[in-house]
Amino acid sequence: GAVVSQHPSRVICKSGTSVKIECRSLDFQATTMFWYRQFPKQSLMLMATSNEGSKATYEQGVEKDKFLINHASLTLSTLTVTSAHPEDSSFYICSARGDFRDEKLFFGSGTQLSVL
Amino acid sequence: DAKTTQPNSMESNEEEPVHLPCNHSTISGTDYIHWYRQLPSQGPEYVIHGLTSNVNNRMASLAIAEDRKSSTLILHRATLRDAAVYYCILRDGDYGQNFVFGPGTRLSVLP
Repeated sequence: GAVVSQHPSRVICKSGTSVKIECRSLDFQATTMFWYRQFPKQSLMLMATSNEGSKATYEQGVEKDKFLINHASLTLSTLTVTSAHPEDSSFYICSARGDFRDEKLFFGSGTQLSVL
Repeated sequence: DAKTTQPNSMESNEEEPVHLPCNHSTISGTDYIHWYRQLPSQGPEYVIHGLTSNVNNRMASLAIAEDRKSSTLILHRATLRDAAVYYCILRDGDYGQNFVFGPGTRLSVLP
């Protein structure tokens, strides 16, 4: 099956710093990528949808200036958490799909962000 | 996207079949029924999906009610590695883009 690689798997940073998370589709071209966050014992919450070459669409309540998403190529999307604070600590997960008609989503393994 | 309801948790014994139910009474004619599962500290993985007919693959079977208002994911022989949160999701085949995750069912498998 298709593979989505997400890095890093775990990151610890100081409050006020920025953290970049990468999501790569390894064997297919991802026209659409999604970013989720997940708090302990809770379900995934969609943060934003990005289509290659265009601006990301953010879900209500998600600050676009804080969570910068770049989808510059068909195989790479990045999420940058700017000026991270302890409340940003969470499990971040990306997913990717090729063609709109593709029925499946392929997920990365997630990034555990801990902000001290 | 139409809403689904699932039991919060279920328990099964190892090597026994598991039937995970999902209710989706407001499903529309173009909604596909998807199942994903999430193992601890990992991203979700695809399990199975279908529209109207029952589906089988190497991981599981999906039984869809005739009126499509409910479905059941069937794991034929549960293993310890099947312990995960299972999500039942509806996705509009014509217009839907993203997947909306509900709380899912946390499956525990007892040795």
